[in-house]
Amino acid sequence: DTGVSQDPRHKITKRGQNVTFRCDPISEHNRLYWYRQTLGQGPEFLTYFQNEAQLEKSRLLSDRFSAERPKGSFSTLEIQRTEQGDSAMYLCASSFVAGVTANTGELFFGEGSRLTVL
Amino acid sequence: AQTVTQSQPEMSVQEAETVTLSCTYDTSESDYYLFWYKQPPSRQMILVIRQEAYKQQNATENRFSVNFQKAAKSFSLKISDSQLGDAAMYFCAYRSAEDSNYQLIWGAGTKLIIKP
Repeated sequence: DTGVSQDPRHKITKRGQNVTFRCDPISEHNRLYWYRQTLGQGPEFLTYFQNEAQLEKSRLLSDRFSAERPKGSFSTLEIQRTEQGDSAMYLCASSFVAGVTANTGELFFGEGSRLTVL
Repeated sequence: AQTVTQSQPEMSVQEAETVTLSCTYDTSESDYYLFWYKQPPSRQMILVIRQEAYKQQNATENRFSVNFQKAAKSFSLKISDSQLGDAAMYFCAYRSAEDSNYQLIWGAGTKLIIKP
């Protein structure tokens, strides 16, 4: 396993178009997170899954954003009717969390998918 | 709500020298975790070092060490013998031990430049 992979690495689209990003986590990891990162800022949480269940979604997340993890493995993040403000790096991270034991839940990140909306 | 502050947008250091990156946080909790992540240009973010708040001993990973001051809510990262490969954005992050979502709260980052 080579780590978390994201596809595509770069996407340029016109305003109003839909885009979809894919994330393949580390195979034994049960949690998968999506973040958005703009230049000069730390990652901003979007949503996360435990297995196939979407457990939390940021209140700031527009309803144009939807994410799925249908079989508890890979995940997709779709942005509908893109706007210029959606231009950012979209990061995926995975981790393994077991029960309620003291587990730091270290995140392993992919290289990100950079979106440019013209 | 917890916050994480990195007051140095950019730092530079001569290769082979030592540099310290600052991080402060605000929380009313007593049990939490602190992290430093490194994000090289066009590469993925990786964990550099972690600290459990209940541990008094400062964490160390090879050339990387932290100065954890719980009362002062300070968590600085010291990089010794700086190398060109250390050039990156460094992010400080906080996680509550009570949060089952394992949510990280991130600082804005510090860009570290290594001068050859």
